[in-house]
Amino acid sequence: DAGVTQSPTHLIKTRGQQVTLRCSPKSGHDTVSWYQQALGQGPQFIFQYYEEEERQRGNFPDRFSGHQFPNYSSELNVNALLLGDSALYLCASSWERRRGGEQYFGPGTRLTVT
Amino acid sequence: GEDVEQSLFLSVREGDSSVINCTYTDSSSTYLYWYKQEPGAGLQLLTYIFSNMDMKQDQRLTVLLNKKDKHLSLRIADTQTGDSAIYFCAAKDSGYSTLTFGKGTMLLVSP
Repeated sequence: DAGVTQSPTHLIKTRGQQVTLRCSPKSGHDTVSWYQQALGQGPQFIFQYYEEEERQRGNFPDRFSGHQFPNYSSELNVNALLLGDSALYLCASSWERRRGGEQYFGPGTRLTVT
Repeated sequence: GEDVEQSLFLSVREGDSSVINCTYTDSSSTYLYWYKQEPGAGLQLLTYIFSNMDMKQDQRLTVLLNKKDKHLSLRIADTQTGDSAIYFCAAKDSGYSTLTFGKGTMLLVSP
């Protein structure tokens, strides 16, 4: 079992650019959540995808958008990058029918905006 | 919304027990989780407890939940240097499986 995988590992972008991050969930999982972790902070929930729909969203602007594909993999897009978007972006997968809803995290993508 | 608070730092000697504490505000939280994060890595799920339980033991890990006080703790027995990491407490609400995290407790284990 490969676990949750994310790509790329690191990314450097310039202010105003756009970025796409990718996530493949753990085998058997159907729900993908995205989190932003700023340096020295806990992860902050961005949004969650289930059945190819965004079903819950945290307190993030519309510049943050996503997509889930039929194979359950997901993308996170960020437009008009700001310096404050520099962070570790974590993807987590879970199985909707699992009562505990345990989320398993990938290694993250480190985004640096200059 | 939910707010999760943790102490920021804990230092122990190898072989001692470590206790990391966490408080949360939303009494409707259904599950509470402990994650471990090593430098430059993602989060590793350590254990979790359902809100109708008081205690859960998993090898060297013991989770205690005081639902009345909304207080959660993680005890690590026989702490090893490899346990040095940041530990996050997280709460899941009664809806979809989204998590609210604390800021993390840095555990430093010295030989």
